[in-house]
Amino acid sequence: NAGVTQTPKFRVLKTGQSMTLLCAQDMNHEYMYWYRQDPGMGLRLIHYSVGEGTTAKGEVPDGYNVSRLKKQNFLLGLESAAPSQTSVYFCASRPSTEYSYEQYFGPGTRLTVT
Amino acid sequence: AQTVTQSQPEMSVQEAETVTLSCTYDTSESNYYLFWYKQPPSRQMILVIRQEAYKQQNATENRFSVNFQKAAKSFSLKISDSQLGDTAMYFCAFDHAGGTSYGKLTFGQGTILTVHP
Repeated sequence: NAGVTQTPKFRVLKTGQSMTLLCAQDMNHEYMYWYRQDPGMGLRLIHYSVGEGTTAKGEVPDGYNVSRLKKQNFLLGLESAAPSQTSVYFCASRPSTEYSYEQYFGPGTRLTVT
Repeated sequence: AQTVTQSQPEMSVQEAETVTLSCTYDTSESNYYLFWYKQPPSRQMILVIRQEAYKQQNATENRFSVNFQKAAKSFSLKISDSQLGDTAMYFCAFDHAGGTSYGKLTFGQGTILTVHP
């Protein structure tokens, strides 16, 4: 049981390049999330998904796209990277049941855009 | 929209002593959940403790306890008998728990806690 995994762990992009971050969970969770962490700002929600084939915008969705074609995977795409997207990205998941409060986080991806 | 504020960017404490981290939040919801997450240098996010707003009793998990003041919208974390392994960034987080919440979390800015030997 690996929990939540993220690929890659580190990446450096040039401005304008594109990339996809992969999040995978093996806990059969319905809900999945993408957050970004910036100094002094905590974690902010980018996009989230409440089930296979569904996605929704979070607090800071601009410049990102997501897809959830399979229940266990949640992809975050950057079509044209900008220096403002330099950040640490976290994926998380949790069950949809009412009393399942805890979000399980992946180890994070450090992205630098030059 | 909910907001979560952690007004202490950094705190330090001596090993074996007690430290309290502060968190305030703003919401119009009556039912919600509050969390403290720990992020050590490894970057892994670890749930420390949670509190349901409808419960009057403060949550406790071993050396970690909270002081939940619903009227004041305050949710502080007390760490007793601090250990070197408690050195980490601590985040306060809010989930409004309604039908459209879907478990989305709003985080505070974080407090860096350093435990000194």
